[in-house]
Amino acid sequence: AQKVTQAQTEISVVEKEDVTLDCVYETRDTTYYLFWYKQPPSGELVFLIRRNSFDEQNEISGRYSWNFQKSTSSFNFTITASQVVDSAVYFCALSEAGYGGSQGNLIFGKGTKLSVKP
Amino acid sequence: DSGVTQTPKHLITATGQRVTLRCSPRSGDLSVYWYQQSLDQGLQFLIQYYNGEERAKGNILERFSAQQFPDLHSELNLSSLELGDSALYFCASSRTASSGNTIYFGEGSWLTVV
Repeated sequence: AQKVTQAQTEISVVEKEDVTLDCVYETRDTTYYLFWYKQPPSGELVFLIRRNSFDEQNEISGRYSWNFQKSTSSFNFTITASQVVDSAVYFCALSEAGYGGSQGNLIFGKGTKLSVKP
Repeated sequence: DSGVTQTPKHLITATGQRVTLRCSPRSGDLSVYWYQQSLDQGLQFLIQYYNGEERAKGNILERFSAQQFPDLHSELNLSSLELGDSALYFCASSRTASSGNTIYFGEGSWLTVV
């Protein structure tokens, strides 16, 4: 069955520290998609990145980087030089292709609450 | 701003009542999703519509129903409300119904049942 595990419930760092948020997924599909979303204290869910199962290239976007490793079923997210504005709950999510590629909905992990202290 | 609009942002109602949450998807998106976020259950998929038709169903209670109208906006109806229905309800949209589409979320509707 499909599952997303974010083992870190809460992480607290001091500004300018680097922090890595872990995500481990389970799926039987060979085609699937992985996502990260950010939920700041205001509550909205903000899309950060999407990665498909065929693309294992790491991605860097400013201070954010993502490390996708199929061998360990992990899709980890690193924030470099963290800032107070990075404080939020971060969710990893999985979307399976399913039969006919019709499974569009997301399976979310429980989220990791990141607190960045000044 | 994701482009997904949800109303109302906050709602307080009594047990046993019925409420309707409204969602307008991003321009050009044909698929609408509803998710529930609660402290104990986390983010749970409720239901998905694509171009007016129900596409997938998740953990949606029988007391809840949804529909997508010809103009693509969607409504989630919650009836016989219980205290445990208090949650943040998200609407989301994507271009098509297929996996791999980026799903953009609205700001959510905070429902408090008292």
